[in-house]
Amino acid sequence: AQSVTQLGSHVSVSEGALVLLRCNYSSSVPPYLFWYVQYPNQGLQLLLKYTTGATLVKGINGFEAEFKKSETSFHLTKPSAHMSDAAEYFCAVSEAGGFKTIFGAGTRLFVKA
Amino acid sequence: SQTIHQWPATLVQPVGSPLSLECTVEGTSNPNLYWYRQAAGRGLQLLFYSVGIGQISSEVPQNLSASRPQDRQFILSSKKLLLSDSGFYLCAWSVTGGVEAFFGQGTRLTVV
Repeated sequence: AQSVTQLGSHVSVSEGALVLLRCNYSSSVPPYLFWYVQYPNQGLQLLLKYTTGATLVKGINGFEAEFKKSETSFHLTKPSAHMSDAAEYFCAVSEAGGFKTIFGAGTRLFVKA
Repeated sequence: SQTIHQWPATLVQPVGSPLSLECTVEGTSNPNLYWYRQAAGRGLQLLFYSVGIGQISSEVPQNLSASRPQDRQFILSSKKLLLSDSGFYLCAWSVTGGVEAFFGQGTRLTVV
């Protein structure tokens, strides 16, 4: 069975500082991995995804994530936080050709001026 | 392009009343459809998914049911709501065998 663990339910950074949101996954088959962002009372928007190929994936709004199979990790980073990055972020995993996407519990990112 | 519509956006219902949330997808055929629930301070819990008309898989036992009467329509229902049914409900779709899921804007359900 697949699972996702996001370390830290809340992360606070200063504007301009590095953003690092941690995600570890468990999957018995090669996974597809995702990061989604959710603004208050809205649906989820895809930030980036890893399927195959290059392990460093770049997404929208300056975010990127690196798939590390040996560490079963898919951490999300952004070099310089902006106030507009304040939101909840979800890491997710699915199987290639599968039907279900399993989400982590989410990490709420706060950005301080 | 594909779009997903989910309504209503907010709903306040008394305990014991019925529920019907509707989701429709446009611009694609034979999508996989999903209902997720997001309770306060918790992640997304997959409730139901469907790979075709009339085909519903339930992930967790609960007070809710789902139906797919048409290819691009997915309905979440309850005969009698409980307080614990309160939460943010999200409908999503993906292409068959596809990668990412695309989400609707969600329904905030408050059971009082």
